[in-house]
Amino acid sequence: DTEVTQTPKHLVMGMTNKKSLKCEQHMGHRAMYWYKQKAKKPPELMFVYSYEKLSINESVPSRFSPECPNSSLLNLHLHALQPEDSALYLCASSQGALREIGNTIYFGEGSWLTVV
Amino acid sequence: AQKITQTQPGMFVQEKEAVTLDCTYDTSDQSYGLFWYKQPSSGEMIFLIYQGSYDEQNATEGRYSLNFQKARKSANLVISASQLGDSAMYFCAMREARWSGGSNYKLTFGKGTLLTVNP
Repeated sequence: DTEVTQTPKHLVMGMTNKKSLKCEQHMGHRAMYWYKQKAKKPPELMFVYSYEKLSINESVPSRFSPECPNSSLLNLHLHALQPEDSALYLCASSQGALREIGNTIYFGEGSWLTVV
Repeated sequence: AQKITQTQPGMFVQEKEAVTLDCTYDTSDQSYGLFWYKQPSSGEMIFLIYQGSYDEQNATEGRYSLNFQKARKSANLVISASQLGDSAMYFCAMREARWSGGSNYKLTFGKGTLLTVNP
């Protein structure tokens, strides 16, 4: 079983809604990530938090807003999304410093998002 | 140029047989890491195996082994004794060391290979 837990598993939202995706890990990891994955494509990096600070924003539109309340939790707040934002959103975590080559990134089960 | 190339969009294998999934990579870094992930239709991305560029021996994890040929820049995944539960998408990924600037946070994925195990 994965040690990165994501909720909800499935989410359907309208373009005017505000919703959040949640992620939790209990492995003591200090780096957490959000990835977006469209059907039949590899995951694409969105955000990276290192020691609870936003380190990387891969030019993601502002309708996606990440938040890291503490070292175990990561949220992704969604507002005014478009149908093309429908995708699988994967949360992930890794140990310690981002510069360690061998730091494996562990993923959660993902949240399937549909924007209608 | 693609950093990670997986040339097999789909592969079929009979249950209990071995299968090799191909992965070639492109980097000018001396230090890098190679990863394989499995993604069933449920969506979870499952870490399978890791190979560091300085590791002299091929990595193995249970039924998974990584055939690392550094000179050829290939890192093929070998699954022995295939099981029906091995049917999934498999992604090869690379993390490079960029000590001269920038961070190596990014895991670059290939396009994936869809493996189907037939009974």
